[in-house]
Amino acid sequence: DIQMTQSPSILSASAGDRVTISCRASQSVGSWLAWFQQKPGKAPNLLIYKASVLQSGIPSRFSGSGSGTEFTLTISSLQPDDFAAYFCQQYDTYPYTFGQGTKLEIK
Amino acid sequence: QVQLQQRGAGLLKPSETLSLTCVVSGAAFSGYYWSWIRQTPGKGLECIGEIDHNGGHNLNPSLQSRVTMFLDTSKNEFSLKLTSVTAADTAMYYCAGGHRGNHDYWGQGVLVTVSS
Repeated sequence: DIQMTQSPSILSASAGDRVTISCRASQSVGSWLAWFQQKPGKAPNLLIYKASVLQSGIPSRFSGSGSGTEFTLTISSLQPDDFAAYFCQQYDTYPYTFGQGTKLEIK
Repeated sequence: QVQLQQRGAGLLKPSETLSLTCVVSGAAFSGYYWSWIRQTPGKGLECIGEIDHNGGHNLNPSLQSRVTMFLDTSKNEFSLKLTSVTAADTAMYYCAGGHRGNHDYWGQGVLVTVSS
């Protein structure tokens, strides 16, 4: 299976901050990379697919970049609603695999 | 508006069969992939399998000997069976659907607990 490694595991930040979450794949996944947000007690919600394409209805403060094995999710100016867990997921090769998650918490 | 509504038993004994169904509204099966994903605090998110509108499917090799997935287009639903469950299968189970690998839409989740 392709291993997905996210960093950091926990990120403390304040509203208005610009934050970056990294995701590394154990082998190239091309651009077949998605990012999800998950809030407690809820299912994950798709933010970005194909590494950099913003899902419909997702605010433009979210952006994704990267290809191959290195990917980044950036939130340009944190809003109170953004404090949640974030996961990357490769869908180049089945079984699709997720990163272990990054918990974005209020500083 | 696409909605996925899950149903199925949440408490099982070891060796029993997990059976979950996901009812899809607001979308046709054609063109989409339909998945089962589970989540635990320890192992995180794990893809169990996906099935397309033609019935073609991918299964996680770690589970494939115990997994059956099928869809019923007449009822707009797809289902998961996982046999011989153990405590290690205790998890939140989600159904999801969308374009290949994207998981655009998710069910509400069902907590499945395996305990004697």
